Amino acid sequence: GAVVSQHPSRVICKSGTSVKIECRSLDFQATTMFWYRQFPKKSLMLMATSNEGSKATYEQGVEKDKFLINHASLTLSTLTVTSAHPEDSSFYICSASLQGPNYGYTFGSGTRLTVV
Amino acid sequence: GDSVTQMEGPVTLSEEAFLTINCTYTATGYPSLFWYVQYPGEGLQLLLKATKADDKGSNKGFEATYRKETTSFHLEKGSVQVSDSAVYFCALSGETSGSRLTFGEGTQLTVNP
Repeated sequence: GAVVSQHPSRVICKSGTSVKIECRSLDFQATTMFWYRQFPKKSLMLMATSNEGSKATYEQGVEKDKFLINHASLTLSTLTVTSAHPEDSSFYICSASLQGPNYGYTFGSGTRLTVV
Repeated sequence: GDSVTQMEGPVTLSEEAFLTINCTYTATGYPSLFWYVQYPGEGLQLLLKATKADDKGSNKGFEATYRKETTSFHLEKGSVQVSDSAVYFCALSGETSGSRLTFGEGTQLTVNP
């Protein structure tokens, strides 16, 4: 149980275009979703925290106009990289927090974004 | 603020060797502690967790004990396999519901046949 499905797994886009990444909670309601960025051989860097129905809270240094996060329902959160540039190429991972007896965090399988 | 310090890698072992990856943390109150594993090109999978002091998390032969007195959560496995090769992340979450996870830097483990 508690699976987060993340799509696409890989995407290549041209500079200047926008890319949307989706994360869906398949068998539970994700009140809180976290979005991370991971550079090669590095740890995860938290970009933003989103709560269903509210505006996302962005970490310092993350451009909210560039990385648009929408969490309009309890089962879907999206990250849109707008006007992508090669420096946005990275591995993006979403995560949902779990409450109750299964307390913890479940992660999507990640999206490898390459901007050419 | 909260922080996690993890043993630097990479770690290279032979199959059936004993594994220890050290993890210490700094946090207020009583955080929950986690070990996650990441295989190449994939997201993170929960390996084990402990939510209070002296709890032992275990899974797939891996173990870690929540030691509040030493603020540690070291990962151990008695006999590693080639399939255990991956990156291991120690992490903590605060007491508040929906708190963010704070990660260590990750430790790359390679197990050779």
